[in-house]
Amino acid sequence: EAGVTQFPSHSVIEKGQTVTLRCDPISGHDNLYWYRRVMGKEIKFLLHFVKESKQDESGMPNNRFLAERTGGTYSTLKVQPAELEDSGVYFCASSQVGGRTDTQYFGPGTRLTVL
Amino acid sequence: GENVEQHPSTLSVQEGDSAVIKCTYSDSASNYFPWYKQELGKRPQLIIDIRSNVGEKKDQRIAVTLNKTAKHFSLHITETQPEDSAVYFCAATPFGGKLIFGQGTELSVKP
Repeated sequence: EAGVTQFPSHSVIEKGQTVTLRCDPISGHDNLYWYRRVMGKEIKFLLHFVKESKQDESGMPNNRFLAERTGGTYSTLKVQPAELEDSGVYFCASSQVGGRTDTQYFGPGTRLTVL
Repeated sequence: GENVEQHPSTLSVQEGDSAVIKCTYSDSASNYFPWYKQELGKRPQLIIDIRSNVGEKKDQRIAVTLNKTAKHFSLHITETQPEDSAVYFCAATPFGGKLIFGQGTELSVKP
């Protein structure tokens, strides 16, 4: 079974530019989560999709961040315009709905550096 | 608000010794407590989890204990090995919801 995949693995952009991160969850997983880890700190929740619907977006920092999951498969997270404080590692995770466990499986992350 | 405190932030042990990492959570509705291990440059991997109807769970050298009254849960690693070196994160969540992570513990096992 393929795991959660994320693209790109690294992205270096300048302040004010736009970046789009992509996450492909495990096939059949309806739950999709975005998290972020800023250097040396805890992993923080950003938002949660159930299929194509946003279940919880309470962790989104501000309106420069836009997440979508059209069709309920892969998801994108766009940052526009990027600021220095957006630097960090962005993780995606997925889990089943109604399964025996709600284990969240993480992707390898996208390391975003804003200069 | 929802919060998970994790201690210590760094932990250094000799190979073969035990390691204990402790977490405290604030949201009494939390009923699922996973532990993730993240090796350098890799994805967080679930190593063990516990639910609120269980007080203790063990898987080979790893065990987790939960005290719901005190809102504490702990990870115990026995007979540590160099490959146990990594950052360990505790987390808490209501069923099926977002994970609230602790700050992480960098464990170093010296040969």
